[in-house]
Amino acid sequence: QLQVQESGPGLVKPSEPLSLTCTVSGDSITSGSKYWGWIRQPPGKGLEWIGNMYYSGATYYNPSIKSRVTMSADTSKNQISLKLISVTAADTAVYYCARSPTSKYYFDYWGRGILVIVSS
Amino acid sequence: EIVLTQSPGTLSLSPGERATLSCRASQSLSSSYYLAWYQHKPGQAPRLLIYGASDRAAGIPDRFSGSGSGTDFTLTIDRLEPDDFAVYFCQQYGDSPLTFGGGTKVEI
Repeated sequence: QLQVQESGPGLVKPSEPLSLTCTVSGDSITSGSKYWGWIRQPPGKGLEWIGNMYYSGATYYNPSIKSRVTMSADTSKNQISLKLISVTAADTAVYYCARSPTSKYYFDYWGRGILVIVSS
Repeated sequence: EIVLTQSPGTLSLSPGERATLSCRASQSLSSSYYLAWYQHKPGQAPRLLIYGASDRAAGIPDRFSGSGSGTDFTLTIDRLEPDDFAVYFCQQYGDSPLTFGGGTKVEI
C-alpha cells in the first residue's frame, strides 16, 4: 500500500525559505508514469495547487506561485521536496503531497498534510 | 483560471439518505470530463473517489457515483453510511492551473 508522508518545520519566519519533504513508501517515485504534486490549504480557505513534477525533473507550477517555488526529487531516498522562498503570513497553510497516477493531474494518494505557520 | 463552485456548502442528512453534491465550473473544461471528487475527513489524507467525472477509483463502493460534463458535475452518494459524513471537494485537471472547489460538508 502506497504511503505518502510530509515532513518539515512547522514554523517558518517571514522572508525565510519554507522547505518540506515528501517521503514515499510502498512504491518507487520512478515507477511508471507517476507524477508528484504539492497542494496547500490556508486556514479557512480552499485548496490551492502548487505544482507537479516527474521524477526526472520536469516541473509544472501554478503561475500564481511559480516565481517562488522549486520542486525536486531525490530518487535514492524516494522523496519529493518543495521549497518556497520569500514566505509571508499568506503562505501559512496545511501542505499536502500527493501522487498523480498519470499525466492527467488528479491525485490518487495523498499524505495527511503538515501545518506550516509563517510567523516571527 | 477556472473557478469551481460547490453547492450546497453544508448538507444535513441522515444515514440511509441520498446526498447530491454539485460542482459548477466558471467555464467549460477544455477536457470535458477531467473532473475528480475527493472525500476528506479531519486529520486524514484526502481520498480519491471519482476521476474522469464518473470513473470510480479503486476500492470505492458503487454507492458513490459521479456524472456531468462541461461545466456542471454531480457527486451522488446513495444510502449514506455513518462513515460517509465528511467534506467532499471537486478538482478540475483539464486546464492549468489545476483548481479545487471550496468543498461541501455532509453532516448528520
